[in-house]
Amino acid sequence: DGGITQSPKYLFRKEGQNVTLSCEQNLNHDAMYWYRQDPGQGLRLIYYSQIVNDFQKGDIAEGYSVSREKKESFPLTVTSAQKNPTAFYLCASRRTGLQETQYFGPGTRLLVL
Amino acid sequence: QKEVEQDPGPLSVPEGAIVSLNCTYSNSAFQYFMWYRQYSRKGPELLMYTYSSGNKEDGRFTAQVDKSSKYISLFIRDSQPSDSATYLCALGGGGSYIPTFGRGTSLIVHP
Repeated sequence: DGGITQSPKYLFRKEGQNVTLSCEQNLNHDAMYWYRQDPGQGLRLIYYSQIVNDFQKGDIAEGYSVSREKKESFPLTVTSAQKNPTAFYLCASRRTGLQETQYFGPGTRLLVL
Repeated sequence: QKEVEQDPGPLSVPEGAIVSLNCTYSNSAFQYFMWYRQYSRKGPELLMYTYSSGNKEDGRFTAQVDKSSKYISLFIRDSQPSDSATYLCALGGGGSYIPTFGRGTSLIVHP
Protein backbone atom coordinates (compact mmCIF):
# COMPACT_ATOMS: atom_id res chain seq x y z
CA ASP A 1 0.00 0.00 0.00
CA GLY A 2 1.32 3.40 -0.94
CA GLY A 3 0.83 6.23 1.47
CA ILE A 4 2.09 8.48 4.22
CA THR A 5 2.63 7.24 7.75
CA GLN A 6 3.03 9.38 10.82
CA SER A 7 4.11 8.25 14.25
CA PRO A 8 3.31 8.28 17.00
CA LYS A 9 -0.44 8.87 16.89
CA TYR A 10 -0.29 10.61 20.27
CA LEU A 11 2.74 12.27 21.83
CA PHE A 12 3.18 13.83 25.23
CA ARG A 13 5.79 16.48 25.87
CA LYS A 14 7.14 17.65 29.18
CA GLU A 15 8.19 21.24 29.78
CA GLY A 16 11.59 21.98 28.29
CA GLN A 17 11.68 18.78 26.25
CA ASN A 18 12.29 18.41 22.54
CA VAL A 19 10.18 15.83 20.76
CA THR A 20 10.35 14.47 17.21
CA LEU A 21 7.41 13.53 15.02
CA SER A 22 8.02 11.02 12.29
CA CYS A 23 6.73 11.22 8.72
CA GLU A 24 7.46 8.61 6.06
CA GLN A 25 6.07 8.30 2.54
CA ASN A 26 6.43 5.63 -0.12
CA LEU A 27 4.70 7.56 -2.87
CA ASN A 28 7.99 8.65 -4.45
CA HIS A 29 6.95 12.29 -4.02
CA ASP A 30 9.68 14.91 -4.06
CA ALA A 31 7.95 17.54 -1.95
CA MET A 32 6.92 17.14 1.68
CA TYR A 33 5.21 19.49 4.11
CA TRP A 34 4.41 19.91 7.80
CA TYR A 35 1.23 21.65 8.94
CA ARG A 36 -0.17 22.51 12.31
CA GLN A 37 -3.93 22.43 12.91
CA ASP A 38 -5.58 23.95 15.98
CA PRO A 39 -9.29 23.54 16.85
CA GLY A 40 -11.41 25.71 14.60
CA GLN A 41 -8.34 26.84 12.70
CA GLY A 42 -7.18 26.12 9.21
CA LEU A 43 -3.91 24.47 8.30
CA ARG A 44 -0.80 26.52 9.04
CA LEU A 45 2.41 25.67 7.25
CA ILE A 46 5.43 25.01 9.46
CA TYR A 47 8.12 23.81 7.04
CA TYR A 48 8.29 22.37 3.56
CA SER A 49 10.88 20.61 1.45
CA GLN A 50 10.91 20.47 -2.32
CA ILE A 51 13.86 18.11 -2.54
CA VAL A 52 16.26 16.10 -0.41
CA ASN A 53 18.68 18.16 1.69
CA ASP A 54 16.68 21.34 1.17
CA PHE A 55 13.84 22.82 3.18
CA GLN A 56 12.15 26.18 3.69
CA LYS A 57 10.39 27.86 6.58
CA GLY A 58 6.66 28.25 6.40
CA ASP A 59 4.44 30.74 8.18
CA ILE A 60 5.02 29.47 11.73
CA ALA A 61 8.50 27.91 11.80
CA GLU A 62 9.63 29.40 15.11
CA GLY A 63 10.19 26.69 17.70
CA TYR A 64 10.34 23.90 15.12
CA SER A 65 13.11 22.24 13.12
CA VAL A 66 13.21 19.68 10.33
CA SER A 67 15.62 17.60 8.30
CA ARG A 68 15.34 15.95 4.90
CA GLU A 69 18.15 13.44 4.54
CA LYS A 70 16.09 10.92 2.60
CA LYS A 71 13.36 11.37 0.01
CA GLU A 72 11.01 9.18 2.03
CA SER A 73 11.42 10.88 5.39
CA PHE A 74 10.73 14.36 6.77
CA PRO A 75 10.86 14.38 10.60
CA LEU A 76 9.70 17.40 12.57
CA THR A 77 11.22 18.35 15.92
CA VAL A 78 9.19 20.46 18.29
CA THR A 79 11.74 22.25 20.44
CA SER A 80 11.42 23.69 23.91
CA ALA A 81 11.31 27.13 22.28
CA GLN A 82 7.79 26.36 21.03
CA LYS A 83 5.75 27.60 23.96
CA ASN A 84 2.34 26.44 22.78
CA PRO A 85 2.92 23.11 21.05
CA THR A 86 -0.42 21.44 21.80
CA ALA A 87 -1.97 20.83 18.37
CA PHE A 88 -2.65 18.28 15.65
CA TYR A 89 0.34 17.93 13.31
CA LEU A 90 -0.13 16.84 9.73
CA CYS A 91 2.50 15.75 7.26
CA ALA A 92 1.80 15.90 3.54
CA SER A 93 3.56 15.09 0.31
CA ARG A 94 2.94 16.46 -3.12
CA ARG A 95 2.49 14.79 -6.42
CA THR A 96 3.73 16.83 -9.34
CA GLY A 97 2.76 16.66 -12.95
CA LEU A 98 -0.71 16.87 -14.36
CA GLN A 99 -2.38 16.99 -10.96
CA GLU A 100 -0.53 19.09 -8.41
CA THR A 101 -2.15 17.61 -5.34
CA GLN A 102 -1.13 17.12 -1.74
CA TYR A 103 -1.74 13.91 0.13
CA PHE A 104 -1.87 13.86 3.91
CA GLY A 105 -0.83 11.45 6.62
CA PRO A 106 -3.10 10.47 9.53
CA GLY A 107 -1.63 13.09 11.88
CA THR A 108 0.01 13.19 15.29
CA ARG A 109 -1.66 14.79 18.28
CA LEU A 110 0.84 16.48 20.57
CA LEU A 111 -0.11 17.23 24.14
CA VAL A 112 1.86 18.99 26.85
CA LEU A 113 2.06 17.43 30.29
CA GLN B 1 -8.76 40.12 3.37
CA LYS B 2 -7.77 36.47 3.40
CA GLU B 3 -6.90 34.84 0.12
CA VAL B 4 -9.53 32.15 0.62
CA GLU B 5 -12.76 32.58 2.55
CA GLN B 6 -14.75 29.59 3.76
CA ASP B 7 -17.63 29.67 6.21
CA PRO B 8 -16.70 27.45 9.19
CA GLY B 9 -20.31 26.44 9.88
CA PRO B 10 -21.41 24.15 11.35
CA LEU B 11 -23.84 23.27 8.60
CA SER B 12 -26.50 20.86 9.83
CA VAL B 13 -28.73 19.05 7.32
CA PRO B 14 -31.09 16.05 7.37
CA GLU B 15 -30.08 12.82 5.72
CA GLY B 16 -30.83 12.85 2.00
CA ALA B 17 -30.43 16.61 1.60
CA ILE B 18 -28.33 18.24 -1.09
CA VAL B 19 -25.41 20.03 0.51
CA SER B 20 -23.62 23.02 -0.94
CA LEU B 21 -20.19 23.98 0.39
CA ASN B 22 -18.44 27.05 -0.92
CA CYS B 23 -15.21 29.01 -1.00
CA THR B 24 -14.43 32.41 -2.44
CA TYR B 25 -10.98 33.62 -3.31
CA SER B 26 -9.26 36.80 -4.31
CA ASN B 27 -6.15 35.69 -6.22
CA SER B 28 -6.95 35.20 -9.88
CA ALA B 29 -3.62 33.33 -10.33
CA PHE B 30 -5.04 30.17 -8.77
CA GLN B 31 -5.20 27.49 -11.41
CA TYR B 32 -6.28 24.30 -9.70
CA PHE B 33 -8.84 23.63 -7.05
CA MET B 34 -9.25 20.81 -4.57
CA TRP B 35 -11.69 19.65 -1.93
CA TYR B 36 -10.60 17.59 1.04
CA ARG B 37 -12.72 15.77 3.60
CA GLN B 38 -11.42 15.51 7.14
CA TYR B 39 -12.99 13.32 9.77
CA SER B 40 -12.40 14.19 13.40
CA ARG B 41 -8.81 13.47 14.49
CA LYS B 42 -7.85 12.17 11.04
CA GLY B 43 -5.79 13.53 8.17
CA PRO B 44 -7.55 15.28 5.25
CA GLU B 45 -8.50 13.02 2.38
CA LEU B 46 -8.53 14.33 -1.19
CA LEU B 47 -12.06 14.23 -2.62
CA MET B 48 -11.99 16.24 -5.81
CA TYR B 49 -9.46 17.97 -8.04
CA THR B 50 -10.38 20.35 -10.82
CA TYR B 51 -8.24 22.44 -13.12
CA SER B 52 -10.70 24.50 -15.08
CA SER B 53 -13.99 26.30 -14.78
CA GLY B 54 -17.06 24.14 -14.95
CA ASN B 55 -18.32 21.03 -13.22
CA LYS B 56 -16.70 17.75 -12.34
CA GLU B 57 -18.76 14.88 -11.00
CA ASP B 58 -17.70 11.84 -9.01
CA GLY B 59 -20.52 9.76 -7.62
CA ARG B 60 -22.56 11.86 -5.21
CA PHE B 61 -20.01 14.68 -5.31
CA THR B 62 -19.85 17.53 -7.82
CA ALA B 63 -17.17 20.19 -7.80
CA GLN B 64 -17.92 23.45 -9.51
CA VAL B 65 -15.46 26.21 -10.37
CA ASP B 66 -16.37 29.70 -11.55
CA LYS B 67 -13.10 31.51 -12.19
CA SER B 68 -14.81 34.69 -13.35
CA SER B 69 -16.54 35.04 -9.99
CA LYS B 70 -13.65 33.49 -8.03
CA TYR B 71 -16.05 31.04 -6.46
CA ILE B 72 -15.83 27.29 -6.00
CA SER B 73 -18.43 24.87 -4.69
CA LEU B 74 -18.76 21.27 -3.65
CA PHE B 75 -22.20 19.69 -3.89
CA ILE B 76 -23.10 16.48 -2.10
CA ARG B 77 -26.24 14.71 -3.26
CA ASP B 78 -28.25 12.33 -1.08
CA SER B 79 -26.13 13.23 1.94
CA GLN B 80 -25.46 10.50 4.49
CA PRO B 81 -24.52 10.62 8.18
CA SER B 82 -21.14 9.25 7.10
CA ASP B 83 -20.59 12.52 5.20
CA SER B 84 -20.39 14.34 8.53
CA ALA B 85 -16.91 15.81 8.53
CA THR B 86 -15.01 19.03 7.91
CA TYR B 87 -14.58 19.95 4.25
CA LEU B 88 -11.57 22.03 3.26
CA CYS B 89 -11.11 23.79 -0.03
CA ALA B 90 -7.57 24.22 -1.34
CA LEU B 91 -6.38 26.33 -4.22
CA GLY B 92 -3.03 26.22 -5.97
CA GLY B 93 -0.96 27.31 -8.90
CA GLY B 94 0.25 30.71 -9.97
CA GLY B 95 3.87 29.74 -9.46
CA SER B 96 3.51 28.58 -5.87
CA TYR B 97 4.12 25.00 -4.79
CA ILE B 98 2.06 25.49 -1.68
CA PRO B 99 -1.74 25.27 -1.83
CA THR B 100 -3.79 27.86 0.02
CA PHE B 101 -6.35 26.22 2.26
CA GLY B 102 -9.68 27.48 3.49
CA ARG B 103 -10.41 27.10 7.19
CA GLY B 104 -12.89 24.31 6.52
CA THR B 105 -16.67 23.93 6.89
CA SER B 106 -18.02 21.54 9.48
CA LEU B 107 -20.89 19.47 8.07
CA ILE B 108 -23.32 17.48 10.21
CA VAL B 109 -25.77 15.15 8.51
CA HIS B 110 -28.35 13.90 10.99
CA PRO B 111 -30.49 10.79 10.44
